[in-house]
Amino acid sequence: AQSVTQPDIHITVSEGASLELRCNYSYGATPYLFWYVQSPGQGLQLLLKYFSGDTLVQGIKGFEAEFKRSQSSFNLRKPSVHWSDAAEYFCAVLKAAGNKLTFGGGTRVLVKP
Amino acid sequence: EAQVTQNPRYLITVTGKKLTVTCSQNMNHEYMSWYRQDPGLGLRQIYYSMNVEVTDKGDVPEGYKVSRKEKRNFPLILESPSPNQTSLYFCASSPGAGMNTEAFFGQGTRLTVV
Repeated sequence: AQSVTQPDIHITVSEGASLELRCNYSYGATPYLFWYVQSPGQGLQLLLKYFSGDTLVQGIKGFEAEFKRSQSSFNLRKPSVHWSDAAEYFCAVLKAAGNKLTFGGGTRVLVKP
Repeated sequence: EAQVTQNPRYLITVTGKKLTVTCSQNMNHEYMSWYRQDPGLGLRQIYYSMNVEVTDKGDVPEGYKVSRKEKRNFPLILESPSPNQTSLYFCASSPGAGMNTEAFFGQGTRLTVV
């Protein structure tokens, strides 16, 4: 069965500092991987996705993620965070049957001024 | 504007009182899903639908029903809600399966069952 693990429940980062959120997945086939962001009181917005090709994927809001098959990881990064990046971030893997997204538990990011 | 609309946004109800959460999308998407979000567990799929009159169970379907009589609508029905169904619910739609898909999510419905 597929699964997604986000080891960090909370991360606090200073504004302007870099951010890296970890994601590990377990999936038998080539994974389709996603990062979503959920701002307080909002739905989920897609940041970026990986299907194939270049393992470094660029997304919106200055985020990028790197797929590493050997480590079963898809970590999200941003070089310099803004206060508006405070949110909860979810990594997900897509199972084609049922078009089901399996989500990690989420990482809540707090940004200090 | 392309969107997924859920109603209501907030709902407090009592155990056993049937309720329906509506979901509508205006993007002519084939796939629609319901998820529930609980702290530390991320989002878990309740039910999904691949097209009109085609629905199937997700990971946590117990206590829920769905129907897909029209392409745009996918209501979630709780026939006899219980406190363990207190959660944040999201409806999502996507145009297809596999590589050519991106799920669009509604704003969420926060349900409290007392």
